[in-house]
Amino acid sequence: DGGITQSPKYLFRKEGQNVTLSCEQNLNHDAMYWYRQDPGQGLRLIYYSQIVNDFQKGDIAEGYSVSREKKESFPLTVTSAQKNPTAFYLCASRDPGTGGPLHFGNGTRLTVT
Amino acid sequence: AQSVTQPDIHITVSEGASLELRCNYSYGATPYLFWYVQSPGQGLQLLLKYFSGDTLVQGIKGFEAEFKRSQSSFNLRKPSVHWSDAAEYFCAVGAASSASKIIFGSGTRLSIRP
Repeated sequence: DGGITQSPKYLFRKEGQNVTLSCEQNLNHDAMYWYRQDPGQGLRLIYYSQIVNDFQKGDIAEGYSVSREKKESFPLTVTSAQKNPTAFYLCASRDPGTGGPLHFGNGTRLTVT
Repeated sequence: AQSVTQPDIHITVSEGASLELRCNYSYGATPYLFWYVQSPGQGLQLLLKYFSGDTLVQGIKGFEAEFKRSQSSFNLRKPSVHWSDAAEYFCAVGAASSASKIIFGSGTRLSIRP
């Protein structure tokens, strides 16, 4: 079955450490996205990528970095510069060509203490 | 500016009652509109989408939504809710291009009264 895999489901880190969240898709989608979800704030876009080796900042990119070396993979690094990293992170991809809806992974809950 | 407003943070309806969740958007181009549902701790599942054609669209789980361009609205409806419909619902807007940003509203949490 095609889909998006995010791992791990739960992640715990100490303040000051960088942490990388994994996102892999086998849907053959060109576009991939990272969203952050906090209670009462909906989903906010962190970064998105249209094609391999290209990505754009979303609305809240500060303190985050991404790479897109392979079509299937779009890892997100939460750096120590991110002031409030504890959140639920969702990865998504989108149909190629004329577009289509986002397909989401099941998310990673990051807790930084 | 592009934005999506879901004015109701939390709605409670009785099982078997009808439901309408509101969504208003602001978008410069022709909008591509979506409704998603999220169970706690899970990803988002697409309920339905609209880009063109018939302004009343049918989705999964018995949901439908109506696009009203004059009101910049895309409200979600269901004639009779079930206890399993309790979840968070998100409206989203974007362009048809695969490269575009998709912007989400802040969500409406639906509770079902037995």
